[in-house]
Amino acid sequence: EPEVTQTPSHQVTQMGQEVILRCVPISNHLYFYWYRQILGQKVEFLVSFYNNEISEKSEIFDDQFSVERPDGSNFTLKIRSTKLEDSAMYFCASSRTGVVGEQYFGPGTRLTVT
Amino acid sequence: KQEVTQIPAALSVPEGENLVLNCSFTDSAIYNLQWFRQDPGKGLTSLLLIQSSQREQTSGRLNASLDKSSGRSTLYIAASQPGDSATYLCAVSRRNFGNEKLTFGTGTRLTIIP
Repeated sequence: EPEVTQTPSHQVTQMGQEVILRCVPISNHLYFYWYRQILGQKVEFLVSFYNNEISEKSEIFDDQFSVERPDGSNFTLKIRSTKLEDSAMYFCASSRTGVVGEQYFGPGTRLTVT
Repeated sequence: KQEVTQIPAALSVPEGENLVLNCSFTDSAIYNLQWFRQDPGKGLTSLLLIQSSQREQTSGRLNASLDKSSGRSTLYIAASQPGDSATYLCAVSRRNFGNEKLTFGTGTRLTIIP
């Protein structure tokens, strides 16, 4: 069964460093999302992406964040200068359609900023 | 702003019992409601999606209902098994720019006692 994959599973970085989290969505899906979950808190929406552009972003998704679909398979989230409060589990999701689109989530990348 | 609440926060029941998990949301103008399962340190597994025009969905031992007007959904698990132990999340979506942002509840941590 097709699934969303994410790499790495765990990333440790120092404050101020840039990180890139990678996702491979399900191949025939067209809508892509990033969410994050700080330990013990709710899963929060970050950004949605369709047709090579951002559809919607949350107030969390400031200028330090960017997303890209560099080729036909990968979808990346970049954090330019990490802060301690960026430590969280980051989930990528994809859906085939944007309307009535069941979202399928990847296993997540645990980002630890020290 | 949409707020999603799940009660109880934690639940322990003996194996074999039927149980109900509750989800409530403040804005009834939702598009879909999706139930997920999250195992510790893992990603989100989609269990059921209910479209706003539907009242319930069933998959195996799981049955989810939706009452938009009252802002409530329930997830019914029949004949619970130890393997059902996990955190269950509900999430509601609203359509915006052709795709859907999910707003998550805080989850119910379910423990099935063998």
